[in-house]
Amino acid sequence: ILNVEQSPQSLHVQEGDSTNFTCSFPSSNFYALHWYRWETAKSPKALFVMTLNGDEKKKGRISATLNTKEGYSYLYIKGSQPEDSATYLCAFPPPNFGNEKLTFGTGTRLTIIP
Amino acid sequence: NAGVTQTPKFQVLKTGQSMTLQCAQDMNHEYMSWYRQDPGMGLRLIHYSVGAGITDQGEVPNGYNVSRSTTEDFPLRLLSAAPSQTSVYFCASSYSSGGGVNSPLHFGNGTRLTVT
Repeated sequence: ILNVEQSPQSLHVQEGDSTNFTCSFPSSNFYALHWYRWETAKSPKALFVMTLNGDEKKKGRISATLNTKEGYSYLYIKGSQPEDSATYLCAFPPPNFGNEKLTFGTGTRLTIIP
Repeated sequence: NAGVTQTPKFQVLKTGQSMTLQCAQDMNHEYMSWYRQDPGMGLRLIHYSVGAGITDQGEVPNGYNVSRSTTEDFPLRLLSAAPSQTSVYFCASSYSSGGGVNSPLHFGNGTRLTVT
């Protein structure tokens, strides 16, 4: 079973501040790294699928970077808004598999304080 | 497009009862999977399918059966419900990741199951 670790477990951020959190994964046999946003009482929604070392993806105020050699990805949120409150999940497939068999981290629960 | 549709939204079962959680997708996705979400744990894979007629076990398959007779449908069967199966269940689908295409998962809205 792959070990996908996310830190911190939870985070409280003042509205307007920027924040970031980490996903760590095994660096050997890297295939892809997924980020999902999961709002309470809803289903997870994809943010990014990252495949290349040094990759950087952006969607509005949210961006992510990837370092496959050292096995980590950062998710950044610039100028946090209340609607950013959610749990952010990362996921990673085992060697020789793709997105049919993802292992998920336990997530970072982000709360934006108005 | 409806996306991924899961039914029911909520279900209460008594220990030993059986039931089927339904999942359907209308995006012509090859891959479909079932996850369960328990407090303090990440989403854990129960079973998955890479195409019609092909299924395989995930991390926590015991007590569950699946079949994939069509591309669209991927039902999850609880054979004899146990309190340990109290959880929130999510169905997900995606295009295949072959050929370098890394498609994200599309999730259904979840089924909250309680086994008493």
